[in-house]
Amino acid sequence: NAGVTQTPKFQVLKTGQSMTLQCAQDMNHNSMYWYRQDPGMGLRLIYYSASEGTTDKGEVPNGYNVSRLNKREFSLRLESAAPSQTSVYFCASSDLLITGELFFGEGSRLTVL
Amino acid sequence: AQRVTQPEKLLSVFKGAPVELKCNYSYSGSPELFWYVQYSRQRLQLLLRHISRESIKGFTADLNKGETSFHLKKPFAQEEDSAMYYCALRGGSGNTGKLIFGQGTTLQVKP
Repeated sequence: NAGVTQTPKFQVLKTGQSMTLQCAQDMNHNSMYWYRQDPGMGLRLIYYSASEGTTDKGEVPNGYNVSRLNKREFSLRLESAAPSQTSVYFCASSDLLITGELFFGEGSRLTVL
Repeated sequence: AQRVTQPEKLLSVFKGAPVELKCNYSYSGSPELFWYVQYSRQRLQLLLRHISRESIKGFTADLNKGETSFHLKKPFAQEEDSAMYYCALRGGSGNTGKLIFGQGTTLQVKP
């Protein structure tokens, strides 16, 4: 039982390049989330998906897009990376109807030069 | 608007000393509040939630609606408590479960 799996764990991009962060969970959770973690800013919600087929903006959605591919997978895409998007990205999942606890992935460290 | 504020970036105490990590929130409805912890080289994980009113690893937190606070307390800090602590609030309409985090407080327990 892997829980929440994110790939890649590390990535270096040049300004303007695009990339997709992948996230998958095997806990049959309905809700999935993408956060970014920056020093002094804490964890900020980028996008979330309350259930399969729905996505909503969080606190800092600009420059990102998401896809809830199916119940297991929720990807985050940077279409044109900027240095301000250098961060550690966390995916999480939750089953609100049971405990509401968020289960997190290990994080993906992204550097944009 | 939903907001969570953790005023201290770093809290440094000696082993055996009491610990209080502060958390204040802003939310117009009835809040659900949580503390999450990130130990070195481990995943972020739930520590406790106000609904369950439990004590985990000696930590407790009481929701004070009058002061809009949810401070995390432990009477005697241990070195293994050193970690990053995040206070979080669940808001959103219906049952969307959007969880908003504070800025985080690094707890350093010195021997």
